[in-house]
Amino acid sequence: GEDVEQSLFLSVREGDSSVINCTYTDSSSTYLYWYKQEPGAGLQLLTYIFSNMDMKQDQRLTVLLNKKDKHLSLRIADTQTGDSAIYFCAETNTGNQFYFGTGTSLTVIP
Amino acid sequence: GAVVSQHPSWVICKSGTSVKIECRSLDFQATTMFWYRQFPKQSLMLMATSNEGSKATYEQGVEKDKFLINHASLTLSTLTVTSAHPEDSSFYICSARELGDWQFFGPGTRLTVL
Repeated sequence: GEDVEQSLFLSVREGDSSVINCTYTDSSSTYLYWYKQEPGAGLQLLTYIFSNMDMKQDQRLTVLLNKKDKHLSLRIADTQTGDSAIYFCAETNTGNQFYFGTGTSLTVIP
Repeated sequence: GAVVSQHPSWVICKSGTSVKIECRSLDFQATTMFWYRQFPKQSLMLMATSNEGSKATYEQGVEKDKFLINHASLTLSTLTVTSAHPEDSSFYICSARELGDWQFFGPGTRLTVL
């Protein structure tokens, strides 16, 4: 399968911005996603970006895609304690099979 | 967005017994359903893909005789863990996809095998 990699942990102070990074290997990816998983819960789709886009902003979330470097990032502005969770990036080229990263555990320090 | 439910949300069973987990798409017809497994602090691992009315396609390393998947209708898929053992304890998540639409995830089922 394709490789999708993320750093495992990130800690930020409340009110600061968080940036979660993801790299992938599939050059034919068409959709890239960010999911949030709170403890004991399923995945929640946060946002997505098409591969022909460079940036997408949705309220406090900004997704940047560098297709040349196969690098995806999620920026959370004004991070709150409720943002503490595990964040997964995922990619697909067909919409049938998703490849997930290992997840980044975000801890927000009050 | 579309809603996918799973039942039960958690289950505890004895080693050697079988457990069935249901995944339902509540407000759309899911032509394809997926089953994932998540070990603690690890990412989701795709176990199998099932299309309504067809046999499931299992990922490499997943025992099809142990993890029985049935997708008999457009709104229901079931995963049966047969002869469960403690190493099968995990968080099982399903997702459902309508043709040409997004993939929506269920809340997951936590299985604990004693």
